[in-house]
Amino acid sequence: DAGVTQSPTHLIKTRGQQVTLRCSPKSGHDTVSWYQQALGQGPQFIFQYYEEEERQRGNFPDRFSGHQFPNYSSELNVNALLLGDSALYLCASNPPVPEPTDTQYFGPGTRLTVL
Amino acid sequence: AQSVTQPDIHITVSEGASLELRCNYSYGATPYLFWYVQSPGQGLQLLLKYFSGDTLVQGIKGFEAEFKRSQSSFNLRKPSVHWSDAAEYFCAVINNAGNMLTFGGGTRLMVKP
Repeated sequence: DAGVTQSPTHLIKTRGQQVTLRCSPKSGHDTVSWYQQALGQGPQFIFQYYEEEERQRGNFPDRFSGHQFPNYSSELNVNALLLGDSALYLCASNPPVPEPTDTQYFGPGTRLTVL
Repeated sequence: AQSVTQPDIHITVSEGASLELRCNYSYGATPYLFWYVQSPGQGLQLLLKYFSGDTLVQGIKGFEAEFKRSQSSFNLRKPSVHWSDAAEYFCAVINNAGNMLTFGGGTRLMVKP
């Protein structure tokens, strides 16, 4: 049973560029959340996708956008990259109809470096 | 707004010694609380969670946590630390909709031989 997978593992971009990160949820899960973890900090919630729609969004600018596909996989897009976007981006998945008591399963993350 | 504070940024303990990592939360309703561990270069692994019932929660790898509503705390404990426990530990609270985790800043645990 595959867990949450993310690609690529590492990515280097320059300021002003755009980046796309990918996530496949754990088998049987249909909800995907994205988190940003800056160096030395805890993860911060970016947004969650369910049934191909953004269900909830954290305090992130519109430069951060996402998409969910019919197979439940998801992409995170960041436009006009800033140095401050350098971070580990984590994807998490939930079972259908998430409840607060559910466990979010996290992938290994994509390390984005913006030069 | 919900928030989580982990007062200790770094903790060093000797192998075999006991461990307690502190976590304080702020949440208006009944909190659902989690402890996750992150090893270098890895994602987050759930250690344990609390959502109701017994205030002492058992988790994986010999960890336990105690929920104290009066102190708004959810401290993580382990009676005897192993070298493999060296990692970063995150406390988190989830909103009622079950879709947004709010994490503390983390505590980095180092284990001395």
